[in-house]
Amino acid sequence: EAGVAQSPRYKIIEKRQSVAFWCNPISGHATLYWYQQILGQGPKLLIQFQNNGVVDDSQLPKDRFSAERLKGVDSTLKIQPAKLEDSAVYLCASTEGLAGGFSPTDTQYFGPGTRLTVL
Amino acid sequence: GNSVTQMEGPVTLSEEAFLTINCTYTATGYPSLFWYVQYPGEGLQLLLKATKADDKGSNKGFEATYRKETTSFHLEKGSVQVSDSAVYFCALSPYNQGGKLIFGQGTELSVKP
Repeated sequence: EAGVAQSPRYKIIEKRQSVAFWCNPISGHATLYWYQQILGQGPKLLIQFQNNGVVDDSQLPKDRFSAERLKGVDSTLKIQPAKLEDSAVYLCASTEGLAGGFSPTDTQYFGPGTRLTVL
Repeated sequence: GNSVTQMEGPVTLSEEAFLTINCTYTATGYPSLFWYVQYPGEGLQLLLKATKADDKGSNKGFEATYRKETTSFHLEKGSVQVSDSAVYFCALSPYNQGGKLIFGQGTELSVKP
């Protein structure tokens, strides 16, 4: 079974530029998460999708970050404009998240991440 | 609010030593608890989990017991190997909040031969 795919793996940009990350979850997984992991810290949830609807985006800096999951499969996360403090690894994860509810015991499967450096 | 606190690293041990990585949490209700591991150059992967008080999660020789009275979920292994060198993350999933994970800051483990 293929895992969670993310691209690019690395990205270096100047501050104030824009950048986009792509994630393809495990086939059939309804729930998709984006996390931000700053060096030396644990991952922090940015946004959660159930199919193509947003479940939780309370920690997404909406003035510069946006995300979408058209057709309920793959997803893109965009930053525009980037700031120095956005330098981090952006992780995508997915779970089955079956319709009708979320199970906190579901295993989240993580992709390899995209390492963003903002200069 | 919900939060997870782990012991700071790095932790350096000799092969076959006993490992404990402390993890305590703050949460409302009854969260599920997890340990994730990140090996060098790889993505995060689930190591073990426990979903209710007094549950013990185990995998690959690692164990952790969900202790509600002390709000702890300490990771233990009786005899570590060089291949266990990695960063270990304790995490909780709050009850009825969509399955999201709240992570501790991670503890780096280095095992020397």
